[in-house]
Amino acid sequence: GAVVSQHPSWVICKSGTSVKIECRSLDFQATTMFWYRQFPKQSLMLMATSNEGSKATYEQGVEKDKFLINHASLTLSTLTVTSAHPEDSSFYICSANRGRVSYNEQFFGPGTRLTVL
Amino acid sequence: GENVEQHPSTLSVQEGDSAVIKCTYSDSASNYFPWYKQELGKGPQLIIDIRSNVGEKKDQRIAVTLNKTAKHFSLHITETQPEDSAVYFCAEGGAGGGADGLTFGKGTHLIIQP
Repeated sequence: GAVVSQHPSWVICKSGTSVKIECRSLDFQATTMFWYRQFPKQSLMLMATSNEGSKATYEQGVEKDKFLINHASLTLSTLTVTSAHPEDSSFYICSANRGRVSYNEQFFGPGTRLTVL
Repeated sequence: GENVEQHPSTLSVQEGDSAVIKCTYSDSASNYFPWYKQELGKGPQLIIDIRSNVGEKKDQRIAVTLNKTAKHFSLHITETQPEDSAVYFCAEGGAGGGADGLTFGKGTHLIIQP
């Protein structure tokens, strides 16, 4: 149990285009999903918290108009990188919280490698 | 804000020996401390976690200890095997429970020498 998938696993796009990444909890309902970004040989940095049916909460320094998050159901959250530029190239990883609100346990997806040319 | 320090950044041990990775945190309200293993090109995999009302937890060759007074927690891997080679991250979750994202340490590259 507690499997999280992401699609696509990797994507290459031209500068200026938009890219959508999907995150799904396959065998549980996730009240909250999170989006992280990881640059090469660095740690994971939280970008935003996504709650089903409400607006996402963004961390300081993360542009909400550039990184659009939609949490349409208890099993799906999407991250759209709008007008992507080479500096947006990174490994984007989502996680899903399983269990009671007071329980932090998070399970991570396999990540999406974004390369912007 | 929250801050998590992780040491060492790189750890090389002989196969069969034990490995210990340590983390310290600053937020006294933190109550959840997971450890993740990340292999190259993959997402982090939860290997063990501990909550603030517990001092130690063990799962086969892996154990985690927590000292809330000193605000540090450690990962212990015994009888290391080649497949244990990976990057390990500690993290902490705040008092907001499931609504909080995790703050990660910078990671430890564990190398198991055959």
